[in-house]
Amino acid sequence: DQQVKQNSPSLSVQEGRISILNCDYTNSMFDYFLWYKKYPAEGPTFLISISSIKDKNEDGRFTVFLNKSAKHLSLHIVPSQPGDSAVYFCAASVKGSARQLTFGSGTQLTVLP
Amino acid sequence: DAGVIQSPRHEVTEMGQEVTLRCKPISGHNSLFWYRQTMMRGLELLIYFNNNVPIDDSGMPEDRFSAKMPNASFSTLKIQPSEPRDSAVYFCASSQTHPSRGVNYGYTFGSGTRLTVV
Repeated sequence: DQQVKQNSPSLSVQEGRISILNCDYTNSMFDYFLWYKKYPAEGPTFLISISSIKDKNEDGRFTVFLNKSAKHLSLHIVPSQPGDSAVYFCAASVKGSARQLTFGSGTQLTVLP
Repeated sequence: DAGVIQSPRHEVTEMGQEVTLRCKPISGHNSLFWYRQTMMRGLELLIYFNNNVPIDDSGMPEDRFSAKMPNASFSTLKIQPSEPRDSAVYFCASSQTHPSRGVNYGYTFGSGTRLTVV
């Protein structure tokens, strides 16, 4: 039972345009959400996060939106750059000890020059 | 800070052999996680330790898998005997968890070990 779902395995976007990556979750106890970015042959690296008390968090070209009622979050990248081409993982955690993260299956973003 | 260090980077072994993957977490981090990445299932949590104690190993596929953390600076994931379906990239991650605040600001991952069992 996948509690965090990324239904699009891949996405291609033209350089300069907006990239929108989506993530859905089923566990209503999740209260902290993160996006990780992964290049080939490297480990995932933290990109941006959002607490459930917010509905938007922005960091430069990256913005994460959270819709709690729909149990949906999205990552917007504007403008997209070729260097953004990577696999993006959505992750969520439940408040409490240890704070383990549950990851989605990832979306391969390709930004075309 | 050298980050999370995993070894080896690549491992090719024959079915039935024992495989040991190693991880050195970031100094001062009190939580350590082993993940497996496959095309079909993405990143799966296998086991995590908090203050060197295994907290949840429900993600470990079967008894062929075992993990240890003898001290705060070292952990191993062992597969014995290995099978072709164990082929995947195995990631170790560490984090600093604040139990009083219940907040984890995210993990730092190692570069992974690509395991191929033939």
